[in-house]
Amino acid sequence: GQNIDQPTEMTATEGAIVQINCTYQTSGFNGLFWYQQHAGEAPTFLSYNVLDGLEEKGRFSSFLSRSKGYSYLLLKELQMKDSASYLCAVNDYKLSFGAGTTVTVRA
Amino acid sequence: EAQVTQNPRYLITVTGKKLTVTCSQNMNHEYMSWYRQDPGLGLRQIYYSMNVEVTDKGDVPEGYKVSRKEKRNFPLILESPSPNQTSLYFCASSPLDRYYTQYFGPGTRLTVL
Repeated sequence: GQNIDQPTEMTATEGAIVQINCTYQTSGFNGLFWYQQHAGEAPTFLSYNVLDGLEEKGRFSSFLSRSKGYSYLLLKELQMKDSASYLCAVNDYKLSFGAGTTVTVRA
Repeated sequence: EAQVTQNPRYLITVTGKKLTVTCSQNMNHEYMSWYRQDPGLGLRQIYYSMNVEVTDKGDVPEGYKVSRKEKRNFPLILESPSPNQTSLYFCASSPLDRYYTQYFGPGTRLTVL
């Protein structure tokens, strides 16, 4: 089975940086992904890591350490529109999601 | 416009009354999947399909059925709904070789009384 942990909530100030951690224990591993979900909306894909290291995409970066079962999503230069839930997910065609981290950005 | 559509968007029904939630995508994606989302539990996969006539169970398949007779459609069937199936349901699709970049439908909010 899969066990995926992420913090429930985080709060940060506009313009700041926030790091959302995700730890996982899986019977197999084929990749880790991050999705963003605004309240009342469907999730949208943010990033995908299959090898160790940092993947950067604009203001968002995602890091993976397979040996530690650990990933983080880094949000830089926070904007109000970044207030959302961020979902960590692992594996392949049979996907498992964490419960999500709700990020609130304050002015 | 590339999209995943679900119908109905909202449904209130009673225990035991069979229902079907439809899902359709116009992107010619091989992979389709159904999820339910509950507070504190996140998204949980119900069933997925890697192509026509190929379906597999996700983490929470009990009480649900699916079929994939056409590439674009992947209906979710609840033969005898129960109150514990009250949830927000999402359908998603993606190319098979980029299964991680799933496109989600708008969601169906189901209430079973």
